[in-house]
Amino acid sequence: AQSVSQHNHHVILSEAASLELGCNYSYGGTVNLFWYVQYPGQHLQLLLKYFSGDPLVKGIKGFEAEFIKSKFSFNLRKPSVHWSDAAEYFCAVSINNNDMRFGAGTRLTVKP
Amino acid sequence: DAGVTQSPTHLIKTRGQHVTLRCSPISGHKSVSWYQQVLGQGPQFIFQYYEKEERGRGNFPDRFSARQFPNYSSELNVNALLLGDSALYLCASSLSSPTSNEKLFFGSGTQLSVL
Repeated sequence: AQSVSQHNHHVILSEAASLELGCNYSYGGTVNLFWYVQYPGQHLQLLLKYFSGDPLVKGIKGFEAEFIKSKFSFNLRKPSVHWSDAAEYFCAVSINNNDMRFGAGTRLTVKP
Repeated sequence: DAGVTQSPTHLIKTRGQHVTLRCSPISGHKSVSWYQQVLGQGPQFIFQYYEKEERGRGNFPDRFSARQFPNYSSELNVNALLLGDSALYLCASSLSSPTSNEKLFFGSGTQLSVL
């Protein structure tokens, strides 16, 4: 079945630790890839997106993601997390530009 | 500038009832999408509308329907409510056509509880 998989449901890191959140998708053909973030009490907002070109995408707040086509992956990374990065992170895949499929989300907790 | 607005914010219904959820996109945005987010899961795509026409539909039963008005606002209707319809319903708008790869702007959602 076609799906978007996020490997970790909950990640706990200490402040300044490096972050990598996994995302794999199982759709063939052309896809557009996104990471959305939902901070506590706020609505979903776009963190970064990949449509074409350089597979290493830079987003807001120091986040980046790398598209590896051969692995059907689009992992999110940040070299050093801050307490304000605590949030729910959703990987999403757009298929045929008609709908967006989201992963189940990864909750990030940052310890002081 | 106002973002995507949804009403009501919270709603309690009983099984078998009907519900209408409303969404106003960001001014100038012509595309509206609806998502269902069950607790602990990611948003699930329900519908996408552009220029008042349905452009995409997710795997939801016919009890779910939607429409988009000339002012680009939208309604999501759910008939014969089931307990499993309890969820956060999110509306998202984007500037132009679905094929333009525009990013989505989400509203805060309507929390529907079916008792």
